[in-house]
Amino acid sequence: LAKTTQPISMDSYEGQEVNITCSHNNIATNDYITWYQQFPSQGPRFIIQGYKTKVTNEVASLFIPADRKSSTLSLPRVSLSDTAVYYCLVGEREYGNKLVFGAGTILRVKS
Amino acid sequence: DTEVTQTPKHLVMGMTNKKSLKCEQHMGHRAMYWYKQKAKKPPELMFVYSYEKLSINESVPSRFSPECPNSSLLNLHLHALQPEDSALYLCASSLTDEQFFGPGTRLTVL
Repeated sequence: LAKTTQPISMDSYEGQEVNITCSHNNIATNDYITWYQQFPSQGPRFIIQGYKTKVTNEVASLFIPADRKSSTLSLPRVSLSDTAVYYCLVGEREYGNKLVFGAGTILRVKS
Repeated sequence: DTEVTQTPKHLVMGMTNKKSLKCEQHMGHRAMYWYKQKAKKPPELMFVYSYEKLSINESVPSRFSPECPNSSLLNLHLHALQPEDSALYLCASSLTDEQFFGPGTRLTVL
């Protein structure tokens, strides 16, 4: 399983766009990049997943360069409720798979 | 029903007690998971059940005993725990690779 490296924490203000970068130098050919969000005292929640280029959904965008050694989660116009821990995970898309969470990035959104 | 429920929300137990955590989902997911999360740390996988059979055991001590009585239920039986086992215990389920997590049970071992 590829190891991931993320910033420990980030601060932002309401209404700003936040970009969280994840480094995964040893990503394998069959690996996908997945981001989960976790609020205090809750379970993680799937945000977005991608393999290459750009993926966008109603919550976030995921940018993956051609070499796939890093990825960037982009949260548009954050609000206070986006304060959470964001985890970047790399692995194959397998049913019943083992999710290996890295340390995650604590995002604090201020008013 | 699109959620994973866990009971109880909080549990305090002594080191000689026997207790059980319960997890339930009615989304038709056939894989169910137990994770342990210590304060300010990421979740760590403990067990995976696939089609009600234990498929992954991450070398968890035998004082933790999982059980999957049917496709909707997952239990974690606890016996003779240690104070360092105090943590948030998360249950998850999946149909594909995306896992849906419950809110967790906050366990305190005295």
